[in-house]
Formats: sequence, C-alpha cells, structure tokens
Amino acid sequence: EAGVAQSPRYKIIEKRQSVAFWCNPISGHATLYWYQQILGQGPKLLIQFQNNGVVDDSQLPKDRFSAERLKGVDSTLKIQPAKLEDSAVYLCASSPTPALEQYFGPGTRLTVT
Amino acid sequence: AQSVTQLDSQVPVFEEAPVELRCNYSSSVSVYLFWYVQYPNQGLQLLLKYLSGSTLVKGINGFEAEFNKSQTSFHLRKPSVHISDTAEYFCAVSDLGYNQGGKLIFGQGTELSVKP
Repeated sequence: EAGVAQSPRYKIIEKRQSVAFWCNPISGHATLYWYQQILGQGPKLLIQFQNNGVVDDSQLPKDRFSAERLKGVDSTLKIQPAKLEDSAVYLCASSPTPALEQYFGPGTRLTVT
Repeated sequence: AQSVTQLDSQVPVFEEAPVELRCNYSSSVSVYLFWYVQYPNQGLQLLLKYLSGSTLVKGINGFEAEFNKSQTSFHLRKPSVHISDTAEYFCAVSDLGYNQGGKLIFGQGTELSVKP
C-alpha cells in the first residue's frame, strides 16, 4: 500500500512570497490533516478535512494560510504572503476514520528568508 | 483543554540498556493515546496505540507502553535499545469528546540518543 505522498520535500522562499504544498493521502482515507512542526516542537494541527469538508481549522492563520481538498482526495496548503515565523516542516497525514491512527507523509521543510 | 507533557526533552542511554520515555496527559474525557517516532528528515511513524482493553500495549521494534488512568500517564519502554532507536519520540492524545474529530495533540517530543 502506498503511503502519504507530499511535494515538494524542501522549499526556500523569501518573506512576502507565496508557496503551495501538495498532499496525496492513502487511497480510501476520508480524513486528511495538515500539521505545522516548528523546530524543537511537536506537530500542531492546522486543518482537518473529512472528505472535502473542513472539520477543524481553528488554528489555521486564515489571513495568510488557505487549504483545499477538491474531490475529497488530494489537498493543497497555501501560504500567502509568507513570514519568517512560517519556517517549519509541514506534515500531511491521513486516516481511514477520525480518532484512529494517522499515517504521516515525509513532510515539506519550508525555509523563509 | 487537552495537553500532553513529555517530561524529558533529551534521554541519552547506552546501547543494550533499558529506557523509559515519560508522558503525562490531561483530559476531561476518555482518550486514545499514541506514541510516534520521527527519524531525521522523515515523517512520523506510529509505534503503538492505546484505544481500549489491556493497559499494556506492545508496538513495533520491541517497544511497549502502559496506560495508567489514575496517573494520566502513558510511558514508553524498551528493555534493550539499539543504535538504530536514536530518534525523536512523540506522545499524542486524541480526545473522544463530542465533536473533537480525532485531532491529535502532541507533546514536545523526547530526543532519544543511543550511544555505543
């Protein structure tokens, strides 16, 4: 079974630029999560989708971050404009159902200079 | 509100020695508990989980954890570590309360460093 795929793996941008990350979850997994992991900290949930609907986006900085999951499969996370404090690893995870174990992708390491 | 505290940020240990990584959580409702491992430049991999039933759960790579409801703890143990166990370990809790949606709350992580 193929795992969660993410791209790109690394991205370096200047502040105020925009960036987008892509995630392809495990086939059949209805629940998809985006986490932000700042160096030295545990992952923090940004947004959770159930199929193509948003379940929880309470910690998503909506003035600059946006995410979508068209057709309930792939998802993209966008930052516009980026700030220095957005430097982090962005992890995508999927789960067959909420509350059970989540399967994580390799992450995208973002550096904002 | 839920929270997870990993009591040690770094744990150095010699190869073949036993190790315990400590995790305490706070929640007002029933929870599911997880331990994940993260190797450098990789995503998180599930080590083990507690959903219900026996409080001693066994996971991959020889790890086990014990759920203690009265002490709200879920400590991770391995009787004999290997160099390859060097990684960051995260404890996480999923609140089963209404409308929680299965969101995972992670601890800050414990860096396990196994020395020869």
